[in-house]
Amino acid sequence: DAGITQSPRYKITETGRQVTLMCHQTWSHSYMFWYRQDLGHGLRLIYYSAAADITDKGEVSDGYVVSRSKTENFPLTLESATRSQTSVYFCASRDKRESSYNEQFFGPGTRLTVL
Amino acid sequence: GQQLNQSPQSMFIQEGEDVSMNCTSSSIFNTWLWYKQDPGEGPVLLIALYKAGELTSNGRLTAQFGITRKDSFLNISASIPSDVGIYFCAGRDWGNDMRFGAGTRLTVKP
Repeated sequence: DAGITQSPRYKITETGRQVTLMCHQTWSHSYMFWYRQDLGHGLRLIYYSAAADITDKGEVSDGYVVSRSKTENFPLTLESATRSQTSVYFCASRDKRESSYNEQFFGPGTRLTVL
Repeated sequence: GQQLNQSPQSMFIQEGEDVSMNCTSSSIFNTWLWYKQDPGEGPVLLIALYKAGELTSNGRLTAQFGITRKDSFLNISASIPSDVGIYFCAGRDWGNDMRFGAGTRLTVKP
């Protein structure tokens, strides 16, 4: 499928388990991002990546790990899930050239529930 | 970190009415963006603004980049039922970190 996809779309897990959320984009965009969306907070940046093998922390990175071995994939791992990580997670990507055609495009989201 | 205050939090309007929402920041942004999110989907870009004072339209939507670089507003004219959703403002400084407002939930009554 063209565009940006996330899997799974829904996930229920238990406290302490490791969870990996997948993100895949077909545009060869340089930048990829992970956000979480919680009521009253809008979207908050967890991690971003400017290119393969380059990642940087965002506003709420504690408890999360990312990797980017290939340009098109940007998995997000919760090493030991906690209830406070129950949220909707969005992946986004954009090209490195700044213009209105190259702003961030978002995936459909993954709804994660940690019991 | 930079905080974005978006208001109002929610709006209930009649079809055909105009809508106005705004975002203010405690610090300067280089870029202002407005997104719309439909239920169960990711945000979709509506308008991007790159210059202080810039006024940009996209159909019935008009957005402005405030002259102080610390605010932006979005207007929707002659609202229709499909305008329903959550509207987010977002600001970016000279880095890659983009900050989002908490969103304005719009309900349009036919």
